[in-house]
Amino acid sequence: EAGVAQSPRYKIIEKRQSVAFWCNPISGHATLYWYQQILGQGPKLLIQFQNNGVVDDSQLPKDRFSAERLKGVDSTLKIQPAKLEDSAVYLCASSFGTSGRNEQYFGPGTRLTVT
Amino acid sequence: GENVEQHPSTLSVQEGDSAVIKCTYSDSASNYFPWYKQELGKGPQLIIDIRSNVGEKKDQRIAVTLNKTAKHFSLHITETQPEDSAVYFCAASADYKLSFGAGTTVTVRA
Repeated sequence: EAGVAQSPRYKIIEKRQSVAFWCNPISGHATLYWYQQILGQGPKLLIQFQNNGVVDDSQLPKDRFSAERLKGVDSTLKIQPAKLEDSAVYLCASSFGTSGRNEQYFGPGTRLTVT
Repeated sequence: GENVEQHPSTLSVQEGDSAVIKCTYSDSASNYFPWYKQELGKGPQLIIDIRSNVGEKKDQRIAVTLNKTAKHFSLHITETQPEDSAVYFCAASADYKLSFGAGTTVTVRA
């Protein structure tokens, strides 16, 4: 079974520029998550989708971050404009069900450096 | 919201010895407690989980214990091997959302 795919793996941008990350979840997984993992910390949930609807985006800085999941499959996360504090690894995960008790499968992440 | 604290932040053990990582949580409604292992350059991977109706669970060299009264849970790794070197995260969930601890970097010395 193919895992969660993410691209790009690395990205370096200057502050105030924009950037987009892409995620392809495991086939058949209804729920997709985007996490931000700052160096030395655990993953923090940014947004959760069930199919193509948003379940939770309470931690998403909506003035600069946006995310969409078209047709309930692939998802993109965008940052515009980027700030220095956005430097982190952005992890995408998916799960079969919607409960927090369902195993989440993580992709390798995109390491973003904002200079 | 849920707050998960994890200790220690780093742990160095001799190969063959045991490693123990402890976590506490704040939301008494939490009922699911997974542990994830993250290797360098990879995403976290579930290694074991425990639900609130169970006090202990074991899978080969890995075991988790849960004390709901005290709101803490622990990961035990016995007979550690070099491949156990990684960052370990505990997490807790009361509903649909996972809250993660800050992680423990485990180094197994040969």
